[in-house]
Amino acid sequence: DAGVIQSPRHEVTEMGQEVTLRCKPISGHDYLFWYRQTMMRGLELLIYFNNNVPIDDSGMPEDRFSAKMPNASFSTLKIQPSEPRDSAVYFCASKGSSSGNTIYFGEGSWLTVV
Amino acid sequence: SQQGEEDPQALSIQEGENATMNCSYKTSINNLQWYRQNSGRGLVHLILIRSNEREKHSGRLRVTLDTSKKSSSLLITASRAADTASYFCATDAGTALIFGKGTTLSVSS
Repeated sequence: DAGVIQSPRHEVTEMGQEVTLRCKPISGHDYLFWYRQTMMRGLELLIYFNNNVPIDDSGMPEDRFSAKMPNASFSTLKIQPSEPRDSAVYFCASKGSSSGNTIYFGEGSWLTVV
Repeated sequence: SQQGEEDPQALSIQEGENATMNCSYKTSINNLQWYRQNSGRGLVHLILIRSNEREKHSGRLRVTLDTSKKSSSLLITASRAADTASYFCATDAGTALIFGKGTTLSVSS
C-alpha cells in the first residue's frame, strides 16, 4: 500500500493568498484526520471525517479554514485568506475501523506564509 | 486541545543507555498509544496499551500505564543512534487521537 499521500510537500505563499492542501488516504480506510503541527502548540487536531462526513471540526481555528471530503479517496484543507500565523506542518492521517485504533500519517505539507 | 503531556521535553543519552519518557493525561481513556516522528517526517505508530493493561512489550520498547495516576511511560532499552526522534503519546477517548507535545530524544554514538 502506498500509505497516506499528501500534496504539496512544501508550499511558500504570500499573505492573503488561498492555499489548498490535498490528501489521499489509505484505500479502505473510513476515517480521515487533519492535524496541524507547530513548535508552540504541538500537534493539534483540526477536523476528522468518517465515511466522508465531517464529524468534529471544533479544532478548525477560524472561518478562514475549511475542509472537504468529496469521496473516500480524496480530501482538501483550504485556507483563504492565508496569514503568516498559519505557517505550520499540516498532516493528514487515516484509519480503518476494522483495523484497530492505529492511525497512519502522511509525510505532511510544510506551509510557509510570508 | 492537548490531552497528554510528555516529560521531559528533551533527552540526550549515549548509545546503549536506556531512555525513559513519561506521559500524563487528564481524562479517562480507552487506550494510549506512542508514536515516533523522525525529523521532517510523519508520525509512525509504535505501540498501543489498552486501559485494562498495565504493561506491554514490543522489541526494545516497554510501555506502562497507570490509570489511577493517569500516566504512562515509554522505555527504550539499549538505545541506538537510529532511535533519535521525537516521541509522542496519544490518548484515545473516542475516535480521534489527541497528542502531547512530545519528547525529543537524541542518542549520540
